[in-house]
Amino acid sequence: GAVVSQHPSWVICKSGTSVKIECRSLDFQATTMFWYRQFPKQSLMLMATSNEGSKATYEQGVEKDKFLINHASLTLSTLTVTSAHPEDSSFYICSATPTGQIYEAFFGQGTRLTVV
Amino acid sequence: AQTVTQSQPEMSVQEAETVTLSCTYDTSESNYYLFWYKQPPSRQMILVIRQEAYKQQNATENRFSVNFQKAAKSFSLKISDSQLGDTAMYFCASIFQGAQKLVFGQGTRLTINP
Repeated sequence: GAVVSQHPSWVICKSGTSVKIECRSLDFQATTMFWYRQFPKQSLMLMATSNEGSKATYEQGVEKDKFLINHASLTLSTLTVTSAHPEDSSFYICSATPTGQIYEAFFGQGTRLTVV
Repeated sequence: AQTVTQSQPEMSVQEAETVTLSCTYDTSESNYYLFWYKQPPSRQMILVIRQEAYKQQNATENRFSVNFQKAAKSFSLKISDSQLGDTAMYFCASIFQGAQKLVFGQGTRLTINP
């Protein structure tokens, strides 16, 4: 099956610093990737849709300047949490949709971010 | 608005029993896909089963099957002969044609007791 690799699996950073999370599709090309945030015992909340070669589409209420998304190639999207604060601590998950297959979604392992 | 609703926050059954998780959705789209995802303690999202809206036959994957009632906009998941490894959060989700992104339900925490 299709594999999506998300890195790192967990990260601890200090308040005010930035942290980058990578999402790679290993064996398929993905024009579209999605970034989610998940709070404990809650569902996945879509943050943004990442489109290769164009600007990401952010969901209402998500700060574009805080959560920078770059989708520079058909196999890699990155999420950078800028000037992180403790309230940004959460579990972040990416998913990738194979090009031309809009009804498929493959998920990365997730990244647990802790801001201290 | 296109929504997915799971009304059972938690369920608990004994090992080997059959359990059914409920899911309803709302859309005016004619073409869409429905999914059940499992999220175990590792938090990796695992696809359990999927159903294309245009197919009348209910999808089946080993011990997992769905009851897809299109007119009622209902998509329940039945787990037969439940196992301890089935303990997880289960999310119902849909990709609606217009949106092209997954819409998730609130999730059901399923516990299988020995």
